[in-house]
Amino acid sequence: NAGVTQTPKFRVLKTGQSMTLLCAQDMNHEYMYWYRQDPGMGLRLIHYSVGEGTTAKGEVPDGYNVSRLKKQNFLLGLESAAPSQTSVYFCASIGGVGETQYFGPGTRLLVL
Amino acid sequence: GQNIDQPTEMTATEGAIVQINCTYQTSGFNGLFWYQQHAGEAPTFLSYNVLDGLEEKGRFSSFLSRSKGYSYLLLKELQMKDSASYLCAVSPPYGGATNKLIFGTGTLLAVQP
Repeated sequence: NAGVTQTPKFRVLKTGQSMTLLCAQDMNHEYMYWYRQDPGMGLRLIHYSVGEGTTAKGEVPDGYNVSRLKKQNFLLGLESAAPSQTSVYFCASIGGVGETQYFGPGTRLLVL
Repeated sequence: GQNIDQPTEMTATEGAIVQINCTYQTSGFNGLFWYQQHAGEAPTFLSYNVLDGLEEKGRFSSFLSRSKGYSYLLLKELQMKDSASYLCAVSPPYGGATNKLIFGTGTLLAVQP
């Protein structure tokens, strides 16, 4: 039982490049979330999903897209990276109401 | 809307007790979580309060007062390994049971010898 995993762990992009971050969980959780964490800003919700095939916008969705084609995977895409997207990205999942969110180890993204 | 306030930094001495406060203003409430996050790592769950009162779990306790929009995390017998950021997060109610969390900016605790 690996919990929540994220790939890659670290990536450097040039402005305008695209990439996809992969989050996978093996706990059969319905709910999955993508956050970004920046100094002094705390964790901010980008997009989330309440089940396979569903996605919704969070607090800071601009510049990102997501897909949840399989229950265990939640993909975060950057179509045209910008320096403002330099951050640490965390994925999380939860089984049900009142349960804790389990976080992945994070992806550190640097956009030059 | 939601607004969560925590102190930015705190310092305490090994073996002592420290209390980290969290106040929130929300149009609704469905529970409050505390997470611990060591530098460069993911947040890990510490406690969950949905009813008023104190929840004790080993060296860590968490208190909630819904009427006052107030919670605190109490850490006893501090150890050097407790040096970390402590995140307060509120679960607001939504008519779709999204289980979203709103996080405070975190309190960076430094434990000194």
